[in-house]
Amino acid sequence: EVQLVESGGGLVQPGGSLRLSCAASGFTFSRYAMSWVRQAPGKGLEWVSGTTSTGGSTYYTDSVKGRFTISRDNSKNTMSLQMNSLRAEDTAIYYCAKGLMGATVGGFDYWGQGTLVTVSS
Amino acid sequence: DIQMTQSPSTLSASVGDRVTITCRASQSIGIWLAWYQQKPGRAPKLLMFKASTLESGVPSRLSGSGSGTEFTLTISSLQPDDFATYYCQQYSSDPWTFGHGTKVEIK
Repeated sequence: EVQLVESGGGLVQPGGSLRLSCAASGFTFSRYAMSWVRQAPGKGLEWVSGTTSTGGSTYYTDSVKGRFTISRDNSKNTMSLQMNSLRAEDTAIYYCAKGLMGATVGGFDYWGQGTLVTVSS
Repeated sequence: DIQMTQSPSTLSASVGDRVTITCRASQSIGIWLAWYQQKPGRAPKLLMFKASTLESGVPSRLSGSGSGTEFTLTISSLQPDDFATYYCQQYSSDPWTFGHGTKVEIK
C-alpha cells in the first residue's frame, strides 16, 4: 500500500524558515517523480515544486523560486522542501504527491494527508 | 503559463442526475489532463488521467473526454458519495496548473 507521510509543518513568523519532509513507502520511490502541492485555507490546489525520479531536475512555481528548495534522498525514500523567507501568502496545507508513471513531474496518483504551514506574527 | 478554466464553479444537483464539468486550457495540452475529487478535510483523490483513463477503483459512472483545449468530466448518475469538489489539472508543461475547482452540492 502506497503511503506518503508529511511532517515539519507549524507556525512560523514572516521571514522565517521551515523544512517539510515526506516519507514514502509501498512503492519503488526512486522510479517516480514527486511534488509538493499546497492549498491555502478555503482555496484551490496549487502545485508548488517537483522533482524528477533521480532528483536531477527540479521545478518551482514562480512565487517560490529563490525561496524554496526541493530535494530527495532515494536511499531513504524521502523528499524534503526547504522553505525560506516565508510570507503570509505561503500559509497553506502542503501535500506530498507521487507522480504518475511515465509523467515528467505533473499528474499525481497518491497524496499524503498534508501538513499545515502557518506564517504569522 | 497554461491557465485552466473550470465551469461551473458550483453545481447543484440531485442523486441520480447526470452532471458534466468542463475544463478549458489556455493552449493545447494534448491529452495530458487529470481530474481529482476532494472532500472537506481530505487530500485530493485521482479520478482520471490522460483525459479519459479511469484510475483503478474509480466507479465507471465517471467518464472523461476531450483533447487539446477542451475537456469534460461526466458523472452519469450522481451518487451521495459524489458530492465533493472536483479539480482538473494539466500536466503537459511546467508549471503544472490546476483549475479553480467545481463544487458539486446537493440540490
